[in-house]
Amino acid sequence: QLQLQESGPGLVKPSETLSLTCTVSGGSISSSSYYWGWIRQPPGKGLEWIGSIYYSGSTYYNPSLKSRVTISVDTSKNQFSLKLSSVTAADTAVYYCARLRFLECMDVWGQGTTVTVSS
Amino acid sequence: QSVLTQPPSVSAAPGQKVTISCSGSSSNIGNNYVSWYQQLPGTAPKLLIYDNNKRPSGIPDRFSGSKSGTSATLGITGLQTGDEADYYCGTWDSSLSFWVFGGGTKLTVL
Repeated sequence: QLQLQESGPGLVKPSETLSLTCTVSGGSISSSSYYWGWIRQPPGKGLEWIGSIYYSGSTYYNPSLKSRVTISVDTSKNQFSLKLSSVTAADTAVYYCARLRFLECMDVWGQGTTVTVSS
Repeated sequence: QSVLTQPPSVSAAPGQKVTISCSGSSSNIGNNYVSWYQQLPGTAPKLLIYDNNKRPSGIPDRFSGSKSGTSATLGITGLQTGDEADYYCGTWDSSLSFWVFGGGTKLTVL
């Protein structure tokens, strides 16, 4: 059974870079059928898609975050990663990684990791 | 402000039926598949409906989805207290090439 697990610092200082990794187990990140993505949810608010990546490295980003976001993939480790630069308190959220059937749905989600931006 | 519009809340009694609407435009719902997600309190979202009206394995047939034009609807019959959750619709927006979600609907089973 495919499982996704987010990992990374739970506290990041303002103006610094948030870095998270999603480890995929029970399946290959190199599957041609899927994209892999990041979604976040600020406290008490709704879901916001951050971006997605294919195993080849092809990416799509939310236009509102594009200037600060980098998503990368490491097929040798079956992982993909998120970097969000110049963070502010508005970036405080639960960050989820997910598997995407491109243009269809996000069918497997990680449990989420809470990231707080504070000095 | 979400690209897709959902009612903030809906409620109904146990055993009853409820529908949740999701309104968009031709660049998103009108030309792409809609999916629905259930988020129980304190947990990650879970796929409920994909490709407008298909249910993943393990999702009971009390949950249904439909789409017409630039709107989609999630239906839940035989409501149970365990269905109390936030529900989100989602789809791809072709104009800017990004995934969009509705603002979410909180379901209360009275």
